[in-house]
Amino acid sequence: GAVVSQHPSWVICKSGTSVKIECRSLDFQATTMFWYRQFPKQSLMLMATSNEGSKATYEQGVEKDKFLINHASLTLSTLTVTSAHPEDSSFYICSARGAGEAFFGQGTRLTVV
Amino acid sequence: GESVGLHLPTLSVQEGDNSIINCAYSNSASDYFIWYKQESGKGPQFIIDIRSNMDKRQGQRVTVLLNKTVKHLSLQIAATQPGDSAVYFCAENRGDNNAGNMLTFGGGTRLMVKP
Repeated sequence: GAVVSQHPSWVICKSGTSVKIECRSLDFQATTMFWYRQFPKQSLMLMATSNEGSKATYEQGVEKDKFLINHASLTLSTLTVTSAHPEDSSFYICSARGAGEAFFGQGTRLTVV
Repeated sequence: GESVGLHLPTLSVQEGDNSIINCAYSNSASDYFIWYKQESGKGPQFIIDIRSNMDKRQGQRVTVLLNKTVKHLSLQIAATQPGDSAVYFCAENRGDNNAGNMLTFGGGTRLMVKP
């Protein structure tokens, strides 16, 4: 099946720094990419949807200036958590979708200390 | 401060028995549904999908049933194995939004298989 690679898988950063997470579709062109956040024992929460070459559409309550999303090509989207704080610690998962079903990256565990 | 999280409903089954995981969706305009399996610390893994013009779809050991009248989706796993232990999420494609494809997820069900 199609592969979506997410990097890094785990990152620890100091409060106040910015962290960039990459999501790549390895063998298909992803016209749409989704970014999700997941707290322990909870469901995935959609943060934003991005279509290649256009601005991301953010869900209500998600700060677009804090969670910067770039979808510059059909195979790469990035999520940058700016000025991270401990409450941003979470599991972030991307999903990429071409013509068929959506495939997920492995997820990135962000710990802000 | 302490955050309040949701407790996932848990389904506990004996190895070899069949499992049925249920999901209710809210948007009558949703036209595509997917079941995902998520093991601890990993991203969701695609299991099976179904389009709204179908009532049933079968895969290997799994069957998805769609009841559009009551907006209900179920995942049946035959001969459940210990490796099936995971959290299962249903997702619906909200086909009526301007952003195009958008997946929204149900709350998830934890499946525990007893040997």
